[in-house]
Amino acid sequence: RKEVEQDPGPFNVPEGATVAFNCTYSNSASQSFFWYRQDCRKEPKLLMSVYSSGNEDGRFTAQLNRASQYISLLIRDSKLSDSATYLCVVNMYPTGFKTIFGAGTRLFVKA
Amino acid sequence: DAGVIQSPRHEVTEMGQEVTLRCKPISGHNSLFWYRQTMMRGLELLIYFNNNVPIDDSGMPEDRFSAKMPNASFSTLKIQPSEPRDSAVYFCASSLEGKGTEAFFGQGTRLTVV
Repeated sequence: RKEVEQDPGPFNVPEGATVAFNCTYSNSASQSFFWYRQDCRKEPKLLMSVYSSGNEDGRFTAQLNRASQYISLLIRDSKLSDSATYLCVVNMYPTGFKTIFGAGTRLFVKA
Repeated sequence: DAGVIQSPRHEVTEMGQEVTLRCKPISGHNSLFWYRQTMMRGLELLIYFNNNVPIDDSGMPEDRFSAKMPNASFSTLKIQPSEPRDSAVYFCASSLEGKGTEAFFGQGTRLTVV
């Protein structure tokens, strides 16, 4: 089993739609969580951190459920510019920091 | 700061040749990661270093792959001998150790082995 698993996608949605991505992680030693965004042929970049209390950044809302080892990302009012791959990321620190990425979910927002 | 710098950006080599990928992390960062990305397998962690020491190399596919970090400002990933199935984008990332820290990526090296 992979340490971080995500919805396979791709998600094809119209502009203005609300879309949700899910992610599960297997290692309970995981301590911090993120969503990254990767545009085509570019490097991944941080979208937002994920906190236990849930957090929101504009149209984006991230949630963490430690008991279920589950992370989610909600995008409201999708824009064409939201088209990208969204990567779920988990930091584990048995010794130092080990940063594991999910395989990513591709989102296509169409006009 | 110039960010994480990787070289070369593109590499085309023949099967059997040695390939060396280079990375300069962000100054002050003490964790460095090498990832490989393919369509089939996504972004895979190959190895990571903390304070120049390899902590976990369980993601290194086989003995043909090796990585070094001789100092805090430089790391290499070497493939010898290279094979067509090694073709991928290789990313280097660095971060400052601490809970909730962001990993910053280089632009990647696109490797093609023919």
